[in-house]
This record gives sequence, C-alpha cells and structure tokens, in this order.
Amino acid sequence: DQQVKQNSPSLSVQEGRISILNCDYTNSMFDYFLWYKKYPAEGPTFLISISSIKDKNEDGRFTVFLNKSAKHLSLHIVPSQPGDSAVYFCAASGASGTYKYIFGTGTRLKVLA
Amino acid sequence: EAQVTQNPRYLITVTGKKLTVTCSQNMNHEYMSWYRQDPGLGLRQIYYSMNVEVTDKGDVPEGYKVSRKEKRNFPLILESPSPNQTSLYFCASRGLGTQYFGPGTRLLVL
Repeated sequence: DQQVKQNSPSLSVQEGRISILNCDYTNSMFDYFLWYKKYPAEGPTFLISISSIKDKNEDGRFTVFLNKSAKHLSLHIVPSQPGDSAVYFCAASGASGTYKYIFGTGTRLKVLA
Repeated sequence: EAQVTQNPRYLITVTGKKLTVTCSQNMNHEYMSWYRQDPGLGLRQIYYSMNVEVTDKGDVPEGYKVSRKEKRNFPLILESPSPNQTSLYFCASRGLGTQYFGPGTRLLVL
C-alpha cells in the first residue's frame, strides 16, 4: 500500500506562472517531509523540507505547505522557469529513530517557454 | 566536493551472473541506503545501513545483499540476478536531515 502518493504523474505550466505539485500521505506518524528534484540521468537532489511542527517553509521561489489534518503537502514554485522542468518526488519520514524515507511515485513537471 | 559515487553507471548482464554495484561517499555519513526506481513505483528502499556493520532491510530486499565494512562504502550485491531486477538503482547517504544521492546505475538483466 502506497503510504505517500503523488496522484498527478505529470504537469505542464507556462513559464512565469505558478507550479503546484501535490502529495498525500496516509501515515500520521510521519513528521518530516521533503521534496526532491530529479533531472534525467542524474540522482535526485534535495530541494526543500518541512517539519510537522510547521505549516509552511519557504526558500526562494520554492514554498512547501503542510496540512497535517488533511495529510497533504504541496510544493509551490513561483515563478516557474524552464530549468524547473524535472521529476519531483515527495518523501516522508517517521518519528525520530526511524531512518526510512518513503517516497512518492513522482510528478513530471514541464515548464513551457 | 561532497558527493556519492556509484559504479558502474550502466550494466547489462545475464540471469544468474553475480554482480556488485559499488557506492562510496566522502561526507563521513553514518547512514547509507540503496533504492531502486521503477516506472509508476517511485523510489523504493532496498537496504539501509545506520553504521559500519549495521544493516537492515528496506521495503524490497529480496534478491539483494549489502555489506558495510567501512563507513564510506556500501556495495549492493546481486548474487543471482533475475530480469525483474532490471531497474535504475540509486545509492544515498544521509546527514543533517537530508539524503544525497548518487548518479544512478542502470541495470539490465537479460
């Protein structure tokens, strides 16, 4: 059973507009969430994270929102740029002492120039 | 430069021929892990290691072995590869809240 779900396999956005990538999880024990970005032929690279004690974390053009009651997080990219075109994975981690990251299936973002 | 390296990057082999994919990190991280990426399934953890000589199964360990004799190295061993192990493999090491991934090894088992 998929504990971390990214229900949109792909998303296309015009350059300069907002990209919103969504992620849902089922395990209420998750308390740390991350977004990774992956280009073809490369390993995933860390983008941004959020702890469950927060509901928002911002880093430049990237903002992650966490809604614990809905078990939902989203990544906002504003403004979107063609270089943002990649596959985005969300990941969740459990309470301290649990070292596993559970990854979603990924969303392929295409930013159109 | 902080990095995770994997070798080989590409490998074609036949069913039953033992192979090893090496992984090395230069960040002195204690925690390392192996993932496989398959279409529609995302990244699934195969094995992880919390320190030298400490390893444990991830979500999809069947058909794989690992060892952690030194902190920097974490090889993935396929004793008898089968076609369902054709996949893209990533090694990762973790420090201060995030994981750093290697560039990936694309494996084809015929």
